Amino acid sequence: GNSVTQMEGPVTLSEEAFLTINCTYTATGYPSLFWYVQYPGEGLQLLLKATKADDKGSNKGFEATYRKETTSFHLEKGSVQVSDSAVYFCALRAGNQFYFGTGTSLTVIP
Amino acid sequence: EPEVTQTPSHQVTQMGQEVILRCVPISNHLYFYWYRQILGQKVEFLVSFYNNEISEKSEIFDDQFSVERPDGSNFTLKIRSTKLEDSAMYFCASTGGEQYFGPGTRLTVT
Repeated sequence: GNSVTQMEGPVTLSEEAFLTINCTYTATGYPSLFWYVQYPGEGLQLLLKATKADDKGSNKGFEATYRKETTSFHLEKGSVQVSDSAVYFCALRAGNQFYFGTGTSLTVIP
Repeated sequence: EPEVTQTPSHQVTQMGQEVILRCVPISNHLYFYWYRQILGQKVEFLVSFYNNEISEKSEIFDDQFSVERPDGSNFTLKIRSTKLEDSAMYFCASTGGEQYFGPGTRLTVT
C-alpha cells in the first residue's frame, strides 16, 4: 500500500540553524512527492514538490530531493527564520489520491 | 492567485445533529476532496469526487457522511448525525495538477 512516515516532532531550532525533517514513503508505482506547510490557524499550503526520481523541489529556501533508492524525500533548509515556524507535512500522490504523514511541528526561536 | 474557500470557519453542534460543511473549489479543477485532521493527528483522506460522483472513499467515510455538488460551484460534506469523535478540522481540496487546500472548518461536537 501507500504510506508516508515522517520524523516525529516537535522540533525547536534557533534562528539561522540548519533544518532537516525526514520523510520516507512506501508506494506501489511511481508517486509524486510533496511537502505542505500549515501555519497556525491556516490550511495546508504546497511548499514544494518532485514528480520523479532525482528531481529536487525547492521553494523559499527549502529543498527536498526525491530519492528512489532510499524511498525518501527529506526537507532541508540551510538557515531557518522565525517565520518558518509551522507544521510541515510530507505527502505522496498515487493516482488521484494523496497520502499524508503525521506532520512535524517546527518552532524557530530568535 | 486562485484559492479554495470554506464556510463556516468554525461550527459548533450538538451530538446527533446534522451539519453541512461548504467548500468552493477552484473553478477549473475537476477533482475535489475532503480530508479531516483530528487535533494533533495526521491529515486523513475522507473522499474524492469527480464528474459528479464519488471516485474513492476511505473507511472513515461511512453512511453518516455524504458529499454533493449541488450547484456546479459548491462542494458540500454532510454529516448526518454527528458524534463526539467527529470533532476535527475538515479540509476541502481541489486538484488541477497540484492540490490546493481550503483554510478548513473546525467542527466541534458537544
